[in-house]
Amino acid sequence: NLLLTQPHSVSESPGKTVTISCTASSGSIGDNFVQWYQQRPGSAPTTVIYEDDHRPSGVPDRFSGSIDRSSNSASLTISGLKTEDEADYYCQSYDADYVVFGGGTKLTVL
Amino acid sequence: QVQVQESGPGLVKPSETLSLTCNVSGGSMSSSAYYWGWIRQPPGKGLEWIGNIYHRGTTQYNSSLKSRVTTSVDTSKNQFSLRLTSVTAADTAMYYCVCGVGTTFEYWGQGTLVTVSS
Repeated sequence: NLLLTQPHSVSESPGKTVTISCTASSGSIGDNFVQWYQQRPGSAPTTVIYEDDHRPSGVPDRFSGSIDRSSNSASLTISGLKTEDEADYYCQSYDADYVVFGGGTKLTVL
Repeated sequence: QVQVQESGPGLVKPSETLSLTCNVSGGSMSSSAYYWGWIRQPPGKGLEWIGNIYHRGTTQYNSSLKSRVTTSVDTSKNQFSLRLTSVTAADTAMYYCVCGVGTTFEYWGQGTLVTVSS
């Protein structure tokens, strides 16, 4: 079964760039699309990236997604960090017909 | 824009059945463009997919919950529902209903906290 592994936490300063990884095991990251969700404290998740590298309308272009088949991982990159980006981020993909979430990464902007 | 909103008891006794309903507005539940799902999040932990239901009634469930989960759609009431049987403290979580579009859980409810306790 597909397992998606994320770092538990990352931190970076405002204005800098951070990359959050999502590494697949027991499956290929390229087999199905990857989505990324942002969850601020006390709120429901919202989509920041869908289908590997697409941004929903309203999501700043500071957010970008990519796939690296050589490392079997997906990445979410946030540039020009703002304090409002501090949140939990989850990757999500599929294993056959089943939905799989990564364990989540807490981003601290300090 | 589709809106979804969970409702149901906030407290369920161990071994009993958790039942939640999600009210849908702003979109047709009969449309093949959407599918409907449930996701939960134990306090302080990550997201766990429970299951999806599609406009023709096809369902998919998390294999770890499959034996205890049932979802259904009532298009006449613009609602879909979740039943989780034989609950334990491990089922204590924020439960979200969601509307999926394509590959993405596009629309989320605000969530409802369900506590399993006697």
